[in-house]
Amino acid sequence: DIQMTQSPSSLSASFGDRVNIICRASQTITTRHVNWFHQKAGEAPKLLVYYTSTLHKGVPSRFSGSGSGTEFTLTISALQPEDLGVFYCQQSFTPPWTFGQGTNVEVK
Amino acid sequence: EVQLVESGGGLVHPGGSLRLSCATSGFTFNLYWMHWVRQAPGKGLEWVSRINNEGTAATYAKSVEGRFTISRDNARNTVELQMNGLRGEDTGIYYCARESVYRSTDHWGQGIPVIVSS
Repeated sequence: DIQMTQSPSSLSASFGDRVNIICRASQTITTRHVNWFHQKAGEAPKLLVYYTSTLHKGVPSRFSGSGSGTEFTLTISALQPEDLGVFYCQQSFTPPWTFGQGTNVEVK
Repeated sequence: EVQLVESGGGLVHPGGSLRLSCATSGFTFNLYWMHWVRQAPGKGLEWVSRINNEGTAATYAKSVEGRFTISRDNARNTVELQMNGLRGEDTGIYYCARESVYRSTDHWGQGIPVIVSS
């Protein structure tokens, strides 16, 4: 199975801060097969980014994704209150479609 | 509007069985592959299973293979997860999700709790 490892596991930032979350895959995966999700407490996850860098419809432009090979990054250009929660990367290159362990974003 | 609504969860003893169902609407169900994803209390997301649009091919996480079976009814626009031999580690919220054409899951249900306990 492909392992997805996120860093950091948690972070504290102020509103307006730039936030970067890194996801490393245990083997090379194509950019068409990296997704990012956001989950608020008590809610279902929501798709943010697919194909490494394409924003799902309705996702604010402060979110961006990048990367290739085994390292992928989700960036929030200016953290907003509604961004708090847990972010997950996922690979859809081969089953099982593994998730990273999550990055909990809190306000400083 | 795309909607996915899970049902069938609840409390079950270890070794018991449950059948989850996900009712869908708002899209042409027989064109989409479907997934089940779960989340143990206080933990991250774990992909469970996936079924193709025709219901003829399925894949499973190693942790559930041989115990869980995914199926679908394209006439009723539903996807099911039959869970047998349940263990404590199967406790969690179970989500159904639709796979988009972009190899991602773009719509999720609200989730249904499953508790395996004596």
